[in-house]
Amino acid sequence: GEKVEQHESTLSVREGDSAVINCTYTDTASSYFPWYKQEAGKSLHFVIDIRSNVDRKQSQRLIVLLDKKAKRFSLHITATQPEDSAIYFCAASPNYAQGLTFGLGTRVSVFP
Amino acid sequence: DPKIIQKPKYLVAVTGSEKILICEQYLGHNAMYWYRQSAKKPLEFMFSYSYQKLMDNQTASSRFQPQSSKKNHLDLQITALKPDDSATYFCASSQDRLGGRKYFGPGTRLTVL
Repeated sequence: GEKVEQHESTLSVREGDSAVINCTYTDTASSYFPWYKQEAGKSLHFVIDIRSNVDRKQSQRLIVLLDKKAKRFSLHITATQPEDSAIYFCAASPNYAQGLTFGLGTRVSVFP
Repeated sequence: DPKIIQKPKYLVAVTGSEKILICEQYLGHNAMYWYRQSAKKPLEFMFSYSYQKLMDNQTASSRFQPQSSKKNHLDLQITALKPDDSATYFCASSQDRLGGRKYFGPGTRLTVL
């Protein structure tokens, strides 16, 4: 089955700088890659997703890049703010419909 | 107002007992899912339902049985509980199986002693 590796377990960034989280996946059939944010003691909140028919997607300060050849995708949080501090999870699945395979999460801390 | 309700928020059970985790969604979605988050393990997909029918089962153990009594309900019955079942169980939903992001509920934290 699919395996998703999230390369950074923790990330500490200065407010205003960019944070980059990298994930790799194993199943070439995966075509849907969402990202979720989890704040302390709370549930997962969808932040952005990308499908395999594009290699870049941006939503405000969030940019997702997808390299299908390398089976790698990344989340770029630009102009970080204190409220960006949370655990971010990458995930993959063959399509919207199927269950998501998650990475272990990256704890992002934004300091002043 | 919460759109996905999970009850209870916390649950403590003894080994060997049986518990039911409740999930109700008020998003008008047709697909519902269960995921489990254990310490130091990735979030794990367990089941998916579409229009109250089981579509995917990634849980090897038959001790975990989803139950859908209504379109917007997907409960999870766990029998013969073991300490390894301790985790936070998240219910999620999406518009349907063909599209739409998944929305997650607040979770039920289960501790098995």
